[in-house]
Amino acid sequence: DQQVKQNSPSLSVQEGRISILNCDYTNSMFDYFLWYKKYPAEGPTFLISISSIKDKNEDGRFTVFLNKSAKHLSLHIVPSQPGDSAVYFCAANSYNTDKLIFGTGTRLQVFP
Amino acid sequence: EPEVTQTPSHQVTQMGQEVILRCVPISNHLYFYWYRQILGQKVEFLVSFYNNEISEKSEIFDDQFSVERPDGSNFTLKIRSTKLEDSAMYFCASKGTVNSPLHFGNGTRLTVT
Repeated sequence: DQQVKQNSPSLSVQEGRISILNCDYTNSMFDYFLWYKKYPAEGPTFLISISSIKDKNEDGRFTVFLNKSAKHLSLHIVPSQPGDSAVYFCAANSYNTDKLIFGTGTRLQVFP
Repeated sequence: EPEVTQTPSHQVTQMGQEVILRCVPISNHLYFYWYRQILGQKVEFLVSFYNNEISEKSEIFDDQFSVERPDGSNFTLKIRSTKLEDSAMYFCASKGTVNSPLHFGNGTRLTVT
């Protein structure tokens, strides 16, 4: 099941710089997208979401961009902080189902 | 901030044994879920539960699996006869409304030997 893909398994960014995490999807029925952050030995923590009727949603340092024609979304974190180091999961679902489809995750490391 | 709590954090069982994974969702939430993550793989949906019944389940959720909300606070996942391939991290999640995001617990690591 490759409906949601995160092609970069890892990303390393210097503190203060922008982190950009990418996600691609194949199912055109998806209409709601979420980003979760996960620390080791913890469950995923919700970060930010976006509906398919929007192309941008911002919450503090986190902004999610959605390009429906390209079936692509991205999460921007600016400025990046060492505490942002975690695994980031993209997830999606459609109006006719209750299940989230997750990507494989991108491990972000923010170094000083 | 309210949390979803899961117990135990780690469960070791022998193949063929029954296990019950326990979860206490956030108290005013109405929608309940189980997901799992096999080591190195994606987080996968297992089942959703609303109004005291299963609302959706994946093909993974076969007859060996069942869920129950035995009282007003607990939500359990039972695996009747565990297999080696059931070894995974199992996450419980809940949400208050249909349009709100899921809140996950910290998971139960199930090891089947």
